[in-house]
Amino acid sequence: DGGITQSPKYLFRKEGQNVTLSCEQNLNHDAMYWYRQDPGQGLRLIYYSQIVNDFQKGDIAEGYSVSREKKESFPLTVTSAQKNPTAFYLCASNAGNTIYFGEGSWLTVV
Amino acid sequence: AQSVSQHNHHVILSEAASLELGCNYSYGGTVNLFWYVQYPGQHLQLLLKYFSGDPLVKGIKGFEAEFIKSKFSFNLRKPSVQWSDTAEYFCAVNALDNFNKFYFGSGTKLNVKP
Repeated sequence: DGGITQSPKYLFRKEGQNVTLSCEQNLNHDAMYWYRQDPGQGLRLIYYSQIVNDFQKGDIAEGYSVSREKKESFPLTVTSAQKNPTAFYLCASNAGNTIYFGEGSWLTVV
Repeated sequence: AQSVSQHNHHVILSEAASLELGCNYSYGGTVNLFWYVQYPGQHLQLLLKYFSGDPLVKGIKGFEAEFIKSKFSFNLRKPSVQWSDTAEYFCAVNALDNFNKFYFGSGTKLNVKP
């Protein structure tokens, strides 16, 4: 099946630890995104990448890092510097000026 | 900076009632506009989109939206809602001179009572 696969779906992290969320797409899309969804705040852009080996900060990039070594993959690392990391994280990719989303990853910091 | 405002955070309707969800954006240039829907436990799905042409666009499941350029609005409508329309709805904007960034509203939770 074609689509965007995020893993893991649920993740628990201890304070002070980094964690990496995986996002893979087999849609041959150039652009990929990470959003964070919090209740009542909608989706906020963390990072985006228009092509391989290139990425830009979004509106709330502090405490996060990304890489784009392959077209298919755009992993997000939530570092210990992120002050409020518990959230629902959505990966997306762009085709024809329309973005499509993965199923999301729930991160809980305990 | 662009912003997208959804004025209704939570809407409760009975089945067969008509629906209109407001969306306004702040950007003076040319935009693409979208509505996405998130059903309980599911991922975000595209409901409809406007790129150009007829400002009244029709989407899936009987939804439609009207782009009013003078009002910077893209309101979502459905003449008669069903219980299965219970979901959260997000408006999104993509500016054509920054085409790879999409901005989302804060979402509207729709609860349809059977």
